[in-house]
Amino acid sequence: SQQGEEDPQALSIQEGENATMNCSYKTSINNLQWYRQNSGRGLVHLILIRSNEREKHSGRLRVTLDTSKKSSSLLITASRAADTASYFCATDWYTGNQFYFGTGTSLTVIP
Amino acid sequence: GAVVSQHPSWVICKSGTSVKIECRSLDFQATTMFWYRQFPKQSLMLMATSNEGSKATYEQGVEKDKFLINHASLTLSTLTVTSAHPEDSSFYICSAFGTEWVVNEQFFGPGTRLTVL
Repeated sequence: SQQGEEDPQALSIQEGENATMNCSYKTSINNLQWYRQNSGRGLVHLILIRSNEREKHSGRLRVTLDTSKKSSSLLITASRAADTASYFCATDWYTGNQFYFGTGTSLTVIP
Repeated sequence: GAVVSQHPSWVICKSGTSVKIECRSLDFQATTMFWYRQFPKQSLMLMATSNEGSKATYEQGVEKDKFLINHASLTLSTLTVTSAHPEDSSFYICSAFGTEWVVNEQFFGPGTRLTVL
């Protein structure tokens, strides 16, 4: 399967805490992107990191990429109840524009 | 930003019927569109790549005769689920990729929930 894997599958934290989720993939990538999805809804693009980048920030989000380990992490700082959603990583390769999504992490932020 | 719409947002049909789902890029030309399906509490699985004016490319394990894709214009791709069965019930999401972006950023539609009775 070309699908990446994410861990943990589910994460429950208190509001104000930080949430970290990880994504591992199998082959060399061009870009890696993170998306969120509220239950039964469409995807919201969060952040893109290119294969030659190691870290990127956007507001309360921090993404790291370690191409030697074929892994990425998404850190959400000072979490809010509204951050409750599923988070997916998606990778694309140099050979095409297709995206392959990770298995996802379901985040619950308890008020 | 770029907007992608899907129609319908929710459809219920009887087993054995065919259902057509539309994916439109509203403010840009999409040379390539992608179709995904998502079962409850699971990730998105890429079904096929749809290129304007040519045949779609299907991922391994996806039946092309079951899931007919037509990308007749730069703003519209359709997915037809033929002879639908209850196991085809799923959330179908399309995305569009435009040539004006250097980075591979796909814009996702809101999804279509298909329920087959």
